[in-house]
Amino acid sequence: KAGVTQTPRYLIKTRGQQVTLSCSPISGHRSVSWYQQTPGQGLQFLFEYFSETQRNKGNFPGRFSGRQFSNSRSEMNVSTLELGDSALYLCASSVGTAPFYEQYFGPGTRLTVT
Amino acid sequence: AQSVTQLDSQVPVFEEAPVELRCNYSSSVSVYLFWYVQYPNQGLQLLLKYLSGSTLVKGINGFEAEFNKSQTSFHLRKPSVHISDTAEYFCAVSDQGAQKLVFGQGTRLTINP
Repeated sequence: KAGVTQTPRYLIKTRGQQVTLSCSPISGHRSVSWYQQTPGQGLQFLFEYFSETQRNKGNFPGRFSGRQFSNSRSEMNVSTLELGDSALYLCASSVGTAPFYEQYFGPGTRLTVT
Repeated sequence: AQSVTQLDSQVPVFEEAPVELRCNYSSSVSVYLFWYVQYPNQGLQLLLKYLSGSTLVKGINGFEAEFNKSQTSFHLRKPSVHISDTAEYFCAVSDQGAQKLVFGQGTRLTINP
């Protein structure tokens, strides 16, 4: 099976712009989670989608949003980019019922905001 | 809320030496614990997980971890490391069993020849 894919892998944006990142889960996985990784804050949970519904949400401002499509592919959007949004954004897909699930991570999208 | 503390930010060891990476978690009624590895410029890969049952958990690449409820610890061990084990290791806890992982700050393992 193909793994989790994320596009694009690298992105450079200017402060104030918006950006959309894409994640394609492993075939058959219906849950997709997003994480932000920065040197200062480490890995932080953004949100999780299951069957097109947001099921869990982390402590991020409303500028961060996401959605999931009927084929389980997910996108996250960050509006009005700030310098502090520069990070590696990781997507993970999973299968199984809580807590007996396993999250598989993609390679990430590295976003640089200038 | 759940929390995880990785006690060492960096651990240097010599090749073929044993290693232990330490992880403590905040106590909770139900605890689900994970160790992930991140190689440079890559995503996270699951090494092992504890959901229930035996407190000694064996994972991939020769790693194992022991769940200690009284010490609220979940330390990762490998009896003999290889250069290819150089990576960053993250301990994580599942927040109330949900698909929301809370990660520690990571431990960078450096293997010296």
